[in-house]
Amino acid sequence: AQKVTQAQTEISVVEKEDVTLDCVYETRDTTYYLFWYKQPPSGELVFLIRRNSFDEQNEISGRYSWNFQKSTSSFNFTITASQVVDSAVYFCALSRNRDDKIIFGKGTRLHILP
Amino acid sequence: DAGVIQSPRHEVTEMGQEVTLRCKPISGHDYLFWYRQTMMRGLELLIYFNNNVPIDDSGMPEDRFSAKMPNASFSTLKIQPSEPRDSAVYFCASSPDRVEKNIQYFGAGTRLSVL
Repeated sequence: AQKVTQAQTEISVVEKEDVTLDCVYETRDTTYYLFWYKQPPSGELVFLIRRNSFDEQNEISGRYSWNFQKSTSSFNFTITASQVVDSAVYFCALSRNRDDKIIFGKGTRLHILP
Repeated sequence: DAGVIQSPRHEVTEMGQEVTLRCKPISGHDYLFWYRQTMMRGLELLIYFNNNVPIDDSGMPEDRFSAKMPNASFSTLKIQPSEPRDSAVYFCASSPDRVEKNIQYFGAGTRLSVL
């Protein structure tokens, strides 16, 4: 069975601090995809990143970075120098290669305090 | 290009009434997904279509829920009769073909309140 666990339900940090959102996944497949989505207060889900299971290189996009470690089945997301606009709910998700659908975690609500 | 468009944004109805939610996917996308989001259960996939054909409706909670996709640019999710426990935010998402599969683009959602 596939499963995504985001153990942190809610995090609050002061602006400019770094923050890491944890994601642990379970799958028996060797080929799969991992995702992060952002849900700002306006409500829509915004795609951030997709990573396939064969690519364990870390990725950086501006203040965002992702650390994929197959050995620990984790795909963590770090925001550097956080800003108030980063306040949102962040979802980690998993999809098998042969599936069209995505399994979402329960999300982590991030509050960036000014 | 416009994103996924959902209507209405908010719907308030009374128990027992029929509710129809609408979705226009991104032009050219082959896949369309309907999700429900609640505090208790998070994001749940209800049903998805590929080229207008329902592929997996195992997430549809019960017979009161039905979804259709009469053409590539329109889909509906209908609840009849509605119940208070159906109150949730319903999202529609679309995805391109298998080359870029699984990157789903979401609409703004419809917040449904059943009184």
